[in-house]
Amino acid sequence: NAGVTQTPKFRVLKTGQSMTLLCAQDMNHEYMYWYRQDPGMGLRLIHYSVGEGTTAKGEVPDGYNVSRLKKQNFLLGLESAAPSQTSVYFCASTHGLAATDTQYFGPGTRLTVL
Amino acid sequence: GENVEQHPSTLSVQEGDSAVIKCTYSDSASNYFPWYKQELGKGPQLIIDIRSNVGEKKDQRIAVTLNKTAKHFSLHITETQPEDSAVYFCAAKRGSYQLTFGKGTKLSVIP
Repeated sequence: NAGVTQTPKFRVLKTGQSMTLLCAQDMNHEYMYWYRQDPGMGLRLIHYSVGEGTTAKGEVPDGYNVSRLKKQNFLLGLESAAPSQTSVYFCASTHGLAATDTQYFGPGTRLTVL
Repeated sequence: GENVEQHPSTLSVQEGDSAVIKCTYSDSASNYFPWYKQELGKGPQLIIDIRSNVGEKKDQRIAVTLNKTAKHFSLHITETQPEDSAVYFCAAKRGSYQLTFGKGTKLSVIP
């Protein structure tokens, strides 16, 4: 049981390049989330998914797209990377949406956009 | 929407001393308050949580208190150890709404 895994761990992009971050969970969780973490800003929600084939915008969705084609995978895409997207990206998942459902986080992807 | 303020942003304590981190929230309907610990290079991990119908919860050396009237909650770590050094995040949630995180506290435990 690996929990939540993220690929890749590190990536450097040039402005304008595109890339996809992959999140996978093996806990059969229904809900998945993408956050970005910036110094002094805490964790901010980018997009989330309440089930296979469904996605929704979070607090800071601009410049990102997501897809949830399979229940266990949640992809985060950057179509045209900008230096402002330099950040550490975390994926998380929960079993349900009950107030007490624990969010399990992946180890993160450190992205640098030059 | 919900707004969570966390203080202090950095905290240094001597090994064996206690550490206290405080958070305030704005939405009086929030009913779930988890605390996460993030070690260097890793994702946040839940360490303790509390529901709005409970005033205090303890798990070994860590405890969380909640004051619904004042809309604040605190994390208490006693007998701190070097392995407690990490960034701690508080969060608040209302029902099925999303978690709102504080900006984090970097705790350093000095041997």
